[in-house]
Amino acid sequence: DQQVKQNSPSLSVQEGRISILNCDYTNSMFDYFLWYKKYPAEGPTFLISISSIKDKNEDGRFTVFLNKSAKHLSLHIVPSQPGDSAVYFCAALISSGSARQLTFGSGTQLTVLP
Amino acid sequence: KAGVTQTPRYLIKTRGQQVTLSCSPISGHRSVSWYQQTPGQGLQFLFEYFSETQRNKGNFPGRFSGRQFSNSRSEMNVSTLELGDSALYLCASSPGQPGANVLTFGAGSRLTVL
Repeated sequence: DQQVKQNSPSLSVQEGRISILNCDYTNSMFDYFLWYKKYPAEGPTFLISISSIKDKNEDGRFTVFLNKSAKHLSLHIVPSQPGDSAVYFCAALISSGSARQLTFGSGTQLTVLP
Repeated sequence: KAGVTQTPRYLIKTRGQQVTLSCSPISGHRSVSWYQQTPGQGLQFLFEYFSETQRNKGNFPGRFSGRQFSNSRSEMNVSTLELGDSALYLCASSPGQPGANVLTFGAGSRLTVL
């Protein structure tokens, strides 16, 4: 049972345009969400996060939106750059627990075309 | 500030052997988690250690085990290796306290089982 789903395995966008990556979750206990970027042969790198008490968080070119009623979050990258080409994972956490266990989606390969 | 260091980066083993992977967390971080990344299953949680105690465990067989030392360094061991254990094993560290929700990942140890 996949509790965090990224239904698009890949996405291609033109440089300068907006990239929108989507993520759905089923466990209503999740209350903290993170996006990680991963290049080949490297570990995931933290990008941006959002708590369930918010519906938007922005950091430079990256914005994460959370729709709790739909159990859906999205990552917007504006403008997209070729260096953004990587696999993007969304992850969810039950922050009230003592354990730090992330549940990951399967990832979306973003390709930004010059 | 040094990041999360994993050794070895690459290793090849044969079926039936065992392997030990090492992880040095960011200085001051007391929580170390391990994840397995495979093409088919994505990133799967193995276990988390905090102050030398296993705090949480994922759904993996008993062949997968780990420990944490007093300096927060952690090792994971896989015994009686199977072909399906071929994967990228990622270690992540965090302060471990409630509210510290961002995990920082190492570059991973790529295990190939022949």
